Amino acid sequence: DTAVSQTPKYLVTQMGNDKSIKCEQNLGHDTMYWYKQDSKKFLKIMFSYNNKELIINETVPNRFSPKSPDKAHLNLHINSLELGDSAVYFCASSGGQGFTDTQYFGPGTRLTVL
Amino acid sequence: SQQGEEDPQALSIQEGENATMNCSYKTSINNLQWYRQNSGRGLVHLILIRSNEREKHSGRLRVTLDTSKKSSSLLITASRAADTASYFCATGSNTGNQFYFGTGTSLTVIP
Repeated sequence: DTAVSQTPKYLVTQMGNDKSIKCEQNLGHDTMYWYKQDSKKFLKIMFSYNNKELIINETVPNRFSPKSPDKAHLNLHINSLELGDSAVYFCASSGGQGFTDTQYFGPGTRLTVL
Repeated sequence: SQQGEEDPQALSIQEGENATMNCSYKTSINNLQWYRQNSGRGLVHLILIRSNEREKHSGRLRVTLDTSKKSSSLLITASRAADTASYFCATGSNTGNQFYFGTGTSLTVIP
């Protein structure tokens, strides 16, 4: 009964490809997030969704597009992958919005772009 | 960059000793949170302290917050080998729409 799950765990792909990472939470939370952690372990917020609406969109390239079919799912689609996209991507969720509550993180997806 | 700074970057101690990590940040905050990340795993929430609180405890963890100095500390008492991990602080802004992680402290507890 994993709270926040992500698939796949590992993703290796060629430059220029399009890929998606899926995220699901079974906590009944209203807000979900995507984070990127680079090779130096720096974590940066990418997107936040509250009740299927995008409420924060940090300055990430528009090749990244979050899609939320319902409030339990927030998928990340990446077009035209670049070498610099290699990182670990974490999904998270929280009951409240605005970063005022505890966030629960998924196990991460390690993306390697060759 | 708005990212917080953590000090030290790396800390190695013997089992049973206490470990103290510090976090400094730059902007006014609503809350500050501490997370643990084991190697190759996701982040696990440890403690959330709000801007009007000065100290909080949870088991062997003690967190302090000094908003005048824009700093926080995490103390782990009687450390165990299982505490080996990276520890991150994260700050939520007053506006409610910004969240920044610190640079992390890598803690190694030697059995």
